[in-house]
Amino acid sequence: DGGITQSPKYLFRKEGQNVTLSCEQNLNHDAMYWYRQDPGQGLRLIYYSQIVNDFQKGDIAEGYSVSREKKESFPLTVTSAQKNPTAFYLCASSIVQARQPQHFGDGTRLSIL
Amino acid sequence: GESVGLHLPTLSVQEGDNSIINCAYSNSASDYFIWYKQESGKGPQFIIDIRSNMDKRQGQRVTVLLNKTVKHLSLQIAATQPGDSAVYFCITNAGGTSYGKLTFGQGTILTVHP
Repeated sequence: DGGITQSPKYLFRKEGQNVTLSCEQNLNHDAMYWYRQDPGQGLRLIYYSQIVNDFQKGDIAEGYSVSREKKESFPLTVTSAQKNPTAFYLCASSIVQARQPQHFGDGTRLSIL
Repeated sequence: GESVGLHLPTLSVQEGDNSIINCAYSNSASDYFIWYKQESGKGPQFIIDIRSNMDKRQGQRVTVLLNKTVKHLSLQIAATQPGDSAVYFCITNAGGTSYGKLTFGQGTILTVHP
């Protein structure tokens, strides 16, 4: 079945370390997105990409970096510059056309020890 | 700036009842609206969407109503089941060609009692 795979589901890292979250999709979607969700809150956009080798900052990009070398993959790196990285991270994808829904993975919960 | 708000942060219903979740939005340029359901520990799941050229759309056990005049959206769930218990998000786009710009509110927690 087509879908979005995020790994790992839980991730623990020491303070000061960079950590990379994986997101892979086999939906043949051109656009991919990363969101952060804090407890009891909605989703906030970190980065998004509408085509390979191109991406744009979202509303809360500071302390994060991304790459888009392949259509299927959009990894997110949480750097040591991110002051409060503990959160639930969600990856999504969509076709690049106005008024289309995004499809989400099941998230990675990152905890900083 | 944009905001998407919900009138009721929590909603409790009995199994078999109909549920109505309301949502207000502020961006008059929004022309596309989506309802997502999020269960604990999972990603949001698409339920139904509606474009601004419509005022009603029906799916399986769900109906979305759009009132652009007062910038209000609602999701109606018929014969609510315990499996419907989740957080429901009303999402709107920024209008125009901003494909990736979806605005998420805090969500409404729906609890269905057997």
